[in-house]
Amino acid sequence: GAVVSQHPSWVICKSGTSVKIECRSLDFQATTMFWYRQFPKQSLMLMATSNEGSKATYEQGVEKDKFLINHASLTLSTLTVTSAHPEDSSFYICSASGDRGLYEQYFGPGTRLTVT
Amino acid sequence: ILNVEQSPQSLHVQEGDSTNFTCSFPSSNFYALHWYRWETAKSPEALFVMTLNGDEKKKGRISATLNTKEGYSYLYIKGSQPEDSATYLCASLTTDSWGKLQFGAGTQVVVTP
Repeated sequence: GAVVSQHPSWVICKSGTSVKIECRSLDFQATTMFWYRQFPKQSLMLMATSNEGSKATYEQGVEKDKFLINHASLTLSTLTVTSAHPEDSSFYICSASGDRGLYEQYFGPGTRLTVT
Repeated sequence: ILNVEQSPQSLHVQEGDSTNFTCSFPSSNFYALHWYRWETAKSPEALFVMTLNGDEKKKGRISATLNTKEGYSYLYIKGSQPEDSATYLCASLTTDSWGKLQFGAGTQVVVTP
């Protein structure tokens, strides 16, 4: 149980275009979803936290107008990278949490974004 | 310690050998410590969630210990197998983090036959 899918697994886009990444909890209801970004050899860095039906909370330094997060249902959250630039090239990974106890998070497999 | 740190960054292990590595985390306001196993091209898989000082958890050949007072956790792999090759992540949760995990950079384990 606790399976999270993420789509696409990799994407290449041209500078200036927008890219949408989907994160779905397949067998549980995710009250909270998290979006992370990872640069090579570095930790997963939290970008934002989203709760179903409410606005996402962004971490300091993350541009909310550039990284649009929508958590419209208990099973789906999307991250849209708007007007992508080469410096946005990175690995993006989502996780979902359905409990409020130990805050266990279940991760998707991640999306490799390359902006040319 | 303000950040979560893992050491070593990577290690190579001969099949059959045992190994261990460390996660250091902030000890103040401690709530829980998570361990994940992350194979290439797959989702990170939850191994353990640890909360109590002195706790030890085991899953097959993998076990972990926790010292919340000094802020460290060890992960042990007994009799390493090639399928144990993965990056092992730890993540700290504090009482004031509102459910947000703070991750270490991981220890990459490569088990060679």
